[in-house]
Amino acid sequence: EVQLVESGGGLVQPGGSLRLSCAASGFTFSSYGMNWVRQAPGKGLEWISYISSSSTTIYYADSVKGRFTISRDNAKNSLYLQMNSLRAEDTAVYYCARDFCSTTSCRYDYWGQGTLVTVSS
Amino acid sequence: EIVLTQSPATLSLSPGERATLSCRASQSVSNYLAWYQQKPGQAPRLLIYDVSNRATGIPARFSGSGSGTDFTLTISSLEPEDFAVYYCQQRSNWPKTFGQGTRLEIK
Repeated sequence: EVQLVESGGGLVQPGGSLRLSCAASGFTFSSYGMNWVRQAPGKGLEWISYISSSSTTIYYADSVKGRFTISRDNAKNSLYLQMNSLRAEDTAVYYCARDFCSTTSCRYDYWGQGTLVTVSS
Repeated sequence: EIVLTQSPATLSLSPGERATLSCRASQSVSNYLAWYQQKPGQAPRLLIYDVSNRATGIPARFSGSGSGTDFTLTISSLEPEDFAVYYCQQRSNWPKTFGQGTRLEIK
């Protein structure tokens, strides 16, 4: 059974840092690109970062570029999001999502349950 | 950045009725469009990919159509568990943007 379990969320002051983790199981983690998607309270979904299976390709949304860093450790079946210079508008539930790609396209076929990050003084 | 506009923002229907949700893109996304369902307190779930392909385990009452810039998610006969928020997402260009969502509520 495919499982994605996020951790590392919590309360942090503006300007602070936090590192999120996503533990993957039930599939060959090293074969899949992975994403972070966030959802502010009562709001919609926002894609924020992608990393390819071998970490050779990385993308960020403009809203987090230069502040957040995505990484992965295939030996540990884990995905990470290092978040620096946090702002109140970064307050959200952060989801990791697997990028399943067929010959035609890619889609987020499995999602974790999310971890809440609250940026407040 | 491709902007996806979903309509209506809220749709109020009764079980057994047909639901039609719309997603319009600011530029062509070819057939690289997916739909997700999200229930309160849960992660999103993939429903439809590549406009019209149902994901594994998704009931046949869910269908997708469209091309280019205009897309539709149809639920043929609403079940009680279908009342949720639905998001479209384009997979054509980076960033992979989502629509703002349509809330499907019980009338």
